Amino acid sequence: DGGITQSPKYLFRKEGQNVTLSCEQNLNHDAMYWYRQDPGQGLRLIYYSQIVNDFQKGDIAEGYSVSREKKESFPLTVTSAQKNPTAFYLCASSIWGLKAASYNEQFFGPGTRLTVL
Amino acid sequence: EDQVTQSPEALRLQEGESSSLNCSYTVSGLRGLFWYRQDPGKGPEFLFTLYSAGEEKEKERLKATLTKKESFLHITAPKPEDSATYLCAVQAHTGNQFYFGTGTSLTVIP
Repeated sequence: DGGITQSPKYLFRKEGQNVTLSCEQNLNHDAMYWYRQDPGQGLRLIYYSQIVNDFQKGDIAEGYSVSREKKESFPLTVTSAQKNPTAFYLCASSIWGLKAASYNEQFFGPGTRLTVL
Repeated sequence: EDQVTQSPEALRLQEGESSSLNCSYTVSGLRGLFWYRQDPGKGPEFLFTLYSAGEEKEKERLKATLTKKESFLHITAPKPEDSATYLCAVQAHTGNQFYFGTGTSLTVIP
């Protein structure tokens, strides 16, 4: 089955701790994204990557870091600098279309719920 | 600034009672408008992509339409299993990001 997997499903972080959320896709998609979802707010973009070894900051990148060493993998680290990390984190991927008619819809993983203790 | 506004925030329908959800957008050149369904505690599930005004897409009881300023998601004779949050997102020609609305929470009562 092709798809996107995220792990763990639930994650608990202590104050001052860094944690890493995993995201893997076997859809052969070039682009991958990380979003944060809070109650009453739309999905907000943290980071995205179009190709291996390259990534760009989204709207709320402060306190987060990413890497893209393999096409299939895009892990997100929530650092101690992120003051309010409790949220639902979603990873997505898409074909990186450059033409207006390209099918560039994003497909999402099941999410990781992070809670600060 | 690219923006997406969805209304209503919440909608309760009786089973079989048809209705529409609205997604208004402002974007500097629309590349695509996307509809997703999200169940509690799960990732969004892709439903439709619309690219140009006048375009329509259908899937079972759902029909999405697009004008130059807004999109509607029409739900015909809904069933309780249609209960979910429906998200709308837009992508502009000039950028790479998706901009999401806050969603409409739909509850269908048997």
